[in-house]
Amino acid sequence: GDSVTQMEGPVTLSEEAFLTINCTYTATGYPSLFWYVQYPGEGLQLLLKATKADDKGSNKGFEATYRKETTSFHLEKGSVQVSDSAVYFCALTIPSGGYNKLIFGAGTRLAVHP
Amino acid sequence: DTAVSQTPKYLVTQMGNDKSIKCEQNLGHDTMYWYKQDSKKFLKIMFSYNNKELIINETVPNRFSPKSPDKAHLNLHINSLELGDSAVYFCASSQDWDEGETQYFGPGTRLLVL
Repeated sequence: GDSVTQMEGPVTLSEEAFLTINCTYTATGYPSLFWYVQYPGEGLQLLLKATKADDKGSNKGFEATYRKETTSFHLEKGSVQVSDSAVYFCALTIPSGGYNKLIFGAGTRLAVHP
Repeated sequence: DTAVSQTPKYLVTQMGNDKSIKCEQNLGHDTMYWYKQDSKKFLKIMFSYNNKELIINETVPNRFSPKSPDKAHLNLHINSLELGDSAVYFCASSQDWDEGETQYFGPGTRLLVL
């Protein structure tokens, strides 16, 4: 079935380090792909998305590129800040009758230290 | 103004009780959702309504009953609460139910069943 696999956390980095959080997916057809972020005690916020192959989503210094050949949507940021500490969720929606149902990965906790 | 709001924010109750969680969105969206986040942060869709009609109904015990009095509101009623119902419940909305539409999440309702 359709699913999302994320790298397990927690990921612990020092401020200004480079961040990569891996995300791969299994889906029928060509899904839309999303990264959502959940700050402590809050709801989810859309970070970025890509709706077709080779699209790059970007926001707040984060980027992810929709790679159809490797079925991946890895999240990257060149220089993380303490304020980026949160749980990051990769997700997809399925075309063709999926009714915009978000299927989430397990989430990756990021902790950034000064 | 909060875009997607939920009440209550916290709910502590005894096993066997019946409780409701309310959700309202002021974004003018046609589609609303309920998601459950378990203790390991895993998120899974429960229901979705489009213009007051049920369009997604995942494998959820029938003790859970959503109700949409109008397209700006989607409430979740839970009968005969069980320990396993303890979780954070998130409401979300999107402009419509087309695949790939961005979903906007509420702050969550943390339910604890004792």
